[in-house]
Amino acid sequence: GAGVSQSPSNKVTEKGKDVELRCDPISGHTALYWYRQRLGQGLEFLIYFQGNSAPDKSGLPSDRFSAERTGESVSTLTIQRTQQEDSAVYLCASSNSGHQETQYFGPGTRLLVL
Amino acid sequence: AQSVTQLDSHVSVSEGTPVLLRCNYSSSYSPSLFWYVQHPNKGLQLLLKYTSAATLVKGINGFEAEFKKSETSFHLTKPSAHMSDAAEYFCVVSPYNQGGKLIFGQGTELSVKP
Repeated sequence: GAGVSQSPSNKVTEKGKDVELRCDPISGHTALYWYRQRLGQGLEFLIYFQGNSAPDKSGLPSDRFSAERTGESVSTLTIQRTQQEDSAVYLCASSNSGHQETQYFGPGTRLLVL
Repeated sequence: AQSVTQLDSHVSVSEGTPVLLRCNYSSSYSPSLFWYVQHPNKGLQLLLKYTSAATLVKGINGFEAEFKKSETSFHLTKPSAHMSDAAEYFCVVSPYNQGGKLIFGQGTELSVKP
């Protein structure tokens, strides 16, 4: 079956612009995660959605970052007033539920802020 | 706080020789531990996971890892390296009762020489 997909695959934007990144999880997966990977670094957790529960936003680095998810489907990560330090690969993952379940990762969106 | 430390940022081995990638974790409770691999320009792939069952975990492509609570370690090994094993490897912990979010180590780059 289809894996996790993300769009766009690459995004170049100017400092101060808003960007929106999209994630399509594996069908039926109730949990969805966003991570950020800066160059040469491990992944940093950003936000987690589980079913209809309130999302865990504890990893969002600033109030310029927000994310939404409609039911158990598509999620969008929005970065407002982008800064150069936002340049990174943004990865989305989904799983059957939460703890101990394998997370399946998408290919990521490479964001470059000029 | 939960964390993982990958003790080597870069490991180089010759093809056919053993691989050892070291990881130590910090967790207040019994964690779930994972190893993920990231090949250049490809998505993250799960190698193996430990979820409090057998302490010796076998994964894909001949990799295995042993959970040692007394040493708080979860080292990744493979008896004989193959050229295709060259990639970035991440040791990951999923803290107890935090919904499945993953905390990544900084990564170990594995190079395999002919």
